[in-house]
Amino acid sequence: GESVGLHLPTLSVQEGDNSIINCAYSNSASDYFIWYKQESGKGPQFIIDIRSNMDKRQGQRVTVLLNKTVKHLSLQIAATQPGDSAVYFCAEEKNQGGKLIFGQGTELSVKP
Amino acid sequence: EADIYQTPRYLVIGTGKKITLECSQTMGHDKMYWYQQDPGMELHLIHYSYGVNSTEKGDLSSESTVSRIRTEHFPLTLESARPSHTSQYLCASSEFGTGNRGYTFGSGTRLTVV
Repeated sequence: GESVGLHLPTLSVQEGDNSIINCAYSNSASDYFIWYKQESGKGPQFIIDIRSNMDKRQGQRVTVLLNKTVKHLSLQIAATQPGDSAVYFCAEEKNQGGKLIFGQGTELSVKP
Repeated sequence: EADIYQTPRYLVIGTGKKITLECSQTMGHDKMYWYQQDPGMELHLIHYSYGVNSTEKGDLSSESTVSRIRTEHFPLTLESARPSHTSQYLCASSEFGTGNRGYTFGSGTRLTVV
């Protein structure tokens, strides 16, 4: 069935380094993608989104890249900080009806 | 800060008990959702609503039921809790279709059935 998946279940980086979290999606008709951050004991929080008519979008320390040719989404975090430690999920909008499909998360650990 | 509230945050309950998980939002969102999530795992949609008196089952089969009598309130009920219902339940709401940053999530209810 349709799914949005992440390649790596865990990622460990050194504080100050850049992090790249990847996601592959399967529904070529999806036109809206979101990255969420979920800290322990909390609900997912919006980080950044991108529409399919764009291939790159930048926020504060974060950049999302979309490659529709290979159906790949990535989240780049610049100068990773201990506070960035969390599980990161990508999600795609299904059928423009407001239902999001979430993939498996990637747990990011930041070493001091 | 999120304007969506879930209660209780934690609940330990015996098998066979009836429970209701509360979810309320103050944003006036028409769309609301319930997700089930095991620790560190992906979110599975179990129920959603696109407005008052509208409820639908999600992609993951669930023995729970929901109601949407008021826009701001979307409670989830388990008539007879079982250990297999042990999980985290996340409520969300959205103004989707406007590119409005997807869902706003509550902090979740962590349910343990013993």
